Amino acid sequence: EAQVTQNPRYLITVTGKKLTVTCSQNMNHEYMSWYRQDPGLGLRQIYYSMNVEVTDKGDVPEGYKVSRKEKRNFPLILESPSPNQTSLYFCASSPNRERYEQYFGPGTRLTVT
Amino acid sequence: GQQVMQIPQYQHVQEGEDFTTYCNSSTTLSNIQWYKQRPGGHPVFLIQLVKSGEVKKQKRLTFQFGEAKKNSSLHITATQTTDVGTYFCAGGANSKLTFGKGITLSVRP
Repeated sequence: EAQVTQNPRYLITVTGKKLTVTCSQNMNHEYMSWYRQDPGLGLRQIYYSMNVEVTDKGDVPEGYKVSRKEKRNFPLILESPSPNQTSLYFCASSPNRERYEQYFGPGTRLTVT
Repeated sequence: GQQVMQIPQYQHVQEGEDFTTYCNSSTTLSNIQWYKQRPGGHPVFLIQLVKSGEVKKQKRLTFQFGEAKKNSSLHITATQTTDVGTYFCAGGANSKLTFGKGITLSVRP
């Protein structure tokens, strides 16, 4: 089954404790991205990757890092989480950035206290 | 930068009523996509429009791309409780896909 998986689905952590949210897709897609969803603000793109070892900032990259060492995986790293990063995070993948359907993962709800 | 606007953010309808929502872009788009997110779920792709004036239907949902390729509409005929959720449009231009903030539809049975 074609899918995007994210782990963990729920996470409560404390300010400053480094964390990683994993994302994996089994569709051999070149393009992957991370979004955060906050009430009233819609989906805002954090980082995206056009292919292995190619990543770039989205609209709200501050406080986040990503890596793309393999085509299927695109982890999101919060080196020093802060309460304003409490949000619902979605990973998405697609054959390319603009012209194809985006497949979203199930989401990760992060709470930083 | 490119902006995609969806107003209002919330709409409430009585079951059986028709519903129409619009998506407007500040720039000319190469394509527009629509997604639906059920409560507690993730966005799911509904459709993509690429041609000026294009109209596509999915059962009770009708999608249209404007002639100038700067706006789009989603029309739902005779809403049902299964239509509840947030509908996002996403406009593609300059190798980038920009999401609107979405409209959350609630349906009173």
